[in-house]
Amino acid sequence: AQKVTQAQTEISVVEKEDVTLDCVYETRDTTYYLFWYKQPPSGELVFLIRRNSFDEQNEISGRYSWNFQKSTSSFNFTITASQVVDSAVYFCALSEASSGGYQKVTFGTGTKLQVIP
Amino acid sequence: DAGVTQSPTHLIKTRGQQVTLRCSPKSGHDTVSWYQQALGQGPQFIFQYYEEEERQRGNFPDRFSGHQFPNYSSELNVNALLLGDSALYLCASSSLGLAGFEETQYFGPGTRLLVL
Repeated sequence: AQKVTQAQTEISVVEKEDVTLDCVYETRDTTYYLFWYKQPPSGELVFLIRRNSFDEQNEISGRYSWNFQKSTSSFNFTITASQVVDSAVYFCALSEASSGGYQKVTFGTGTKLQVIP
Repeated sequence: DAGVTQSPTHLIKTRGQQVTLRCSPKSGHDTVSWYQQALGQGPQFIFQYYEEEERQRGNFPDRFSGHQFPNYSSELNVNALLLGDSALYLCASSSLGLAGFEETQYFGPGTRLLVL
């Protein structure tokens, strides 16, 4: 069965500090997708990134970067020079094909990030 | 380009009642998934609809049912409400694609249901 673990429940950092959010996943599939979503207090999940299991290249998007390591089944997310607007709950998610070929997405429990001005 | 919309935004019901939540997918999307997010938890998959049929279901009782209309919009129905059904209900849409599981889901703002 697939599982996503976000061991950090809450993290507080001072503005401009770098912060890394950890994500460890379990799956028996060789083909799968990993996602990160941001959930601000308004509640709507905002898509940040999608990676497939065959692409281990790190990705950078502005202040955001992601480190995907299949050897450790991890997909960590780093925010550089954090800002108050980054305060939110961040979810890591795993998508694999079900037996019928349809999408089955499992979310972690989320990491609440508080950026203090 | 309109994103995923949900209605109502908030809802208060009492135990035993029934509720219907609505979702309109993002333009161009044909697949709708529903999630339940309890306070402090990650979203839990309820079911997914494609071509007006339930294609996948999570570990939720039959009290949870749904429907997808020809215009791809969807409803989530919950019967015999329990206190534990209080949660944020999120709708996500995607385009199924060749395999389906590789597609990114885009989420609506959710409906906050409170059962008293």
